[in-house]
Amino acid sequence: QVQLVESGGGVVQPGRSLRLSCAASGFTFSSYAIHWVRQAPGKGLEWVALISYDGSNKYYADSVKGRFTISRDNSENTLYLQMNSLRAEDTAVYYCTKDQRLYGGDSLYYFDYWGQGTLVTVSS
Amino acid sequence: EIVLTQSPATLSLSPGERATLSCRASQSVNYYLAWYQQKPGQAPRLLIYDASNRATGIPARFSGSGSGTDFTLTISSLEPGDFAVYYCQQRSNWPPENTFGQGTRLEIK
Repeated sequence: QVQLVESGGGVVQPGRSLRLSCAASGFTFSSYAIHWVRQAPGKGLEWVALISYDGSNKYYADSVKGRFTISRDNSENTLYLQMNSLRAEDTAVYYCTKDQRLYGGDSLYYFDYWGQGTLVTVSS
Repeated sequence: EIVLTQSPATLSLSPGERATLSCRASQSVNYYLAWYQQKPGQAPRLLIYDASNRATGIPARFSGSGSGTDFTLTISSLEPGDFAVYYCQQRSNWPPENTFGQGTRLEIK
């Protein structure tokens, strides 16, 4: 079955960096775009970033552009989110989510599988 | 930029009752709309995509309808496990800022 397992969350001071990972299994990872979606405590869902199935296209929300970098290693079935210059407003649970469409990543689609999320807390 | 507005913010019903949740788009999204269910402490789960198609493993009591700007998620007879927060999401916008609605909390009356 499809599994997405995030790791790397924790407590970090404002201005510092953190790298999240998402280990995928149960599907052909290299054939699907993957997204990061976050949820601040008690709030709704916010799309953060997208990487196409082959890593050639990457897109970011304005709120993280220039600070976050999404990447993937298809040989290791792993997705990453490098988060720099963290702010208090980046505090959230970060989910990696699989794009529903085969060979997607050049347009938005739906999110058919989600990981359990990893909590990032930015606080001094 | 398309904005999704969900109503009501909170819906209080009893098990066995019918639930009707609304999602309105600020401009047409054709039929490119999905619904997700999120229970406390869990990740969201895809219920409906392209307005009316049930995702894999979703019970038939969940149904979606609508097109253009007005969409509805209907739960025909509520079960205890259905009380959760429901989000709509559109895939018509690019880049995908504000792709989700703000959510409707379905609570037990």
